[in-house]
Amino acid sequence: DGGITQSPKYLFRKEGQNVTLSCEQNLNHDAMYWYRQDPGQGLRLIYYSQIVNDFQKGDIAEGYSVSREKKESFPLTVTSAQKNPTAFYLCASTPPLASNEQFFGPGTRLTVL
Amino acid sequence: GENVEQHPSTLSVQEGDSAVIKCTYSDSASNYFPWYKQELGKRPQLIIDIRSNVGEKKDQRIAVTLNKTAKHFSLHITETQPEDSAVYFCAANTGRRALTFGSGTRLQVQP
Repeated sequence: DGGITQSPKYLFRKEGQNVTLSCEQNLNHDAMYWYRQDPGQGLRLIYYSQIVNDFQKGDIAEGYSVSREKKESFPLTVTSAQKNPTAFYLCASTPPLASNEQFFGPGTRLTVL
Repeated sequence: GENVEQHPSTLSVQEGDSAVIKCTYSDSASNYFPWYKQELGKRPQLIIDIRSNVGEKKDQRIAVTLNKTAKHFSLHITETQPEDSAVYFCAANTGRRALTFGSGTRLQVQP
């Protein structure tokens, strides 16, 4: 867990603005994931990436975009097309192939003003 | 895709009692079932997991059981303590190695 960092911890956005959430890991993990958590609910998958320069949509990708230019980094952009972006965003990563265990970052709480 | 249902949504027990949380999953291809504990405002922490080739796994006061035929798995916490109070999530993996999470159980251990 300590090897995954997310920034900022809190983020405030005005309606119509794009914002980018940072996720970095130094664990040499191949796969990285972005989840969204709403109050009182479970985590829902936004995007995931198994290798550099490749990523796939999850269950709720509309209004979000990602990039995976480096193994260590998987930033998430919340665009103005996301109509209800206020939520807790969690990044996770998984060690190479054999393991399914996911290690989570500390999260970013995004609030739209 | 995978669908995971979790019950109950809230659970209150007296300190020292046992707590059981149950989950069902839909995709028979799922083979990894972790349980996470999440405290308010914090990241989920893995507390125990089980793979489909095992029926039960224990770690001190925590155990998980898996019934592949019925597609359900359960978390058992014995001798509960106030510090066990948190939200617990079950999950199941999918073919894309992501996890599908249940909706969570808020456990309250009364001293």
